[in-house]
Amino acid sequence: ERVMTQSPATLSVAPGERATLSCRASQNVYTNLAWYQQKPGQAPRLLIYAASTRATGVPARFSGSGSGTEFTLTISSLQSEDFAVYYCQQYNNWPPLTFGGGTKVEIK
Amino acid sequence: EVQLVESGGGLVQPGGSLRLSCAASGFTFSSYAMTWVRQTPGKGLEWVSLITGSGGGTYYADSVKGRFTISRDNSKNTLFLQMNSLSAEDTALYYCAKVILSLHDAFDVWGQGTMVTVSS
Repeated sequence: ERVMTQSPATLSVAPGERATLSCRASQNVYTNLAWYQQKPGQAPRLLIYAASTRATGVPARFSGSGSGTEFTLTISSLQSEDFAVYYCQQYNNWPPLTFGGGTKVEIK
Repeated sequence: EVQLVESGGGLVQPGGSLRLSCAASGFTFSSYAMTWVRQTPGKGLEWVSLITGSGGGTYYADSVKGRFTISRDNSKNTLFLQMNSLSAEDTALYYCAKVILSLHDAFDVWGQGTMVTVSS
């Protein structure tokens, strides 16, 4: 099973600042990695797939990078609507498909 | 508009059964694999099961294998999850989601979820 580890668990960022979220896979997942955003009371929303491809309608301030075992989601300038929990997910080797534990981005 | 709407959740006693449904609209349902993902209140996401577009391939997390059955009715654009031998550990919000394209792909459309509570 590919274990996905996200860090930090909580990230405090001021509006307008840059946020950098990390996701590490226990084994190589190549670029078969997605990022999701989840706000309270809402379903997850796909942001990034194939490690760096933005999903339809996702603002350009969201970018993904990495391959193999180390991945990064960067939000270039935090907007008020970006404060949420972010999950990474690998879909290279499954079952099982696995998610990271999440990073909560909160207002500083 | 592409949409997924789950139903069938509720309160069930330990050892009981429940059948979840997910009604799809706005896309050619039979062309896409579909999946169930659950989320324990206040916790993270756990993949449960996936089924290919034709229904010929099904996959399960170890935690539900032998107890849950995923299926689909492509004539009715509906995905199902039959859950048997439920325990408190199965209490969660259950989401259905659509796979982008291939089996090795992310989930691009999610429903709003249906809550399952297992308690006596």
